[in-house]
Amino acid sequence: GENVGLHLPTLSVQEGDNSIINCAYSNSASDYFIWYKQESGKGPQFIIDIRSNMDKRQGQRVTVLLNKTVKHLSLQIAATQPGDSAVYFCAEREGAQKLVFGQGTRLTINP
Amino acid sequence: DSGVTQTPKHLITATGQRVTLRCSPRSGDLSVYWYQQSLDQGLQFLIQYYNGEERAKGNILERFSAQQFPDLHSELNLSSLELGDSALYFCASSVGTGHNSPLHFGNGTRLTVT
Repeated sequence: GENVGLHLPTLSVQEGDNSIINCAYSNSASDYFIWYKQESGKGPQFIIDIRSNMDKRQGQRVTVLLNKTVKHLSLQIAATQPGDSAVYFCAEREGAQKLVFGQGTRLTINP
Repeated sequence: DSGVTQTPKHLITATGQRVTLRCSPRSGDLSVYWYQQSLDQGLQFLIQYYNGEERAKGNILERFSAQQFPDLHSELNLSSLELGDSALYFCASSVGTGHNSPLHFGNGTRLTVT
């Protein structure tokens, strides 16, 4: 099922359910946001991005929502699969080039 | 496969030593970034180069330095190594300066300082 909360270090969901990973960002001037997935032993893998002039963007099985009023970003994964198990990082772009990463949320999938 | 290549994959060295990490960006990408990831920590931005020139600097220690060569590959030099420098070091690249374009990461170099 859906799990709602902020700054959850670990999120556990049933296979086939939808997952929601939340992120609070700090800089109201940030204008570009990215979600990354990091599997064990690998580098962060780009999932989806969104610019600050958008509220929602959809990809394949993923949706990113941006709420600038409360500086909140979320990643929704539909029909979660075992291969979705990983640590998910949100990142915000502060200033011209600097990309700042959040602490990350570990997503585990229960069979 | 992101197209970003990092070598070596693993590096074990002693305190006080110096090491060089190497990164080849994706074909066509002009920007290279270096990040450090300690155990259970997020990614900390170290430095960015764009087309051979330093573009942005993060919390990079004075013992660390980097450069980007004419062929666009980059090297991160870590000297006078301390135990606390043990971490994963990631290189990433992007089209242009990274403005509204995602960074693509390599699989990192795991540095262990003993």
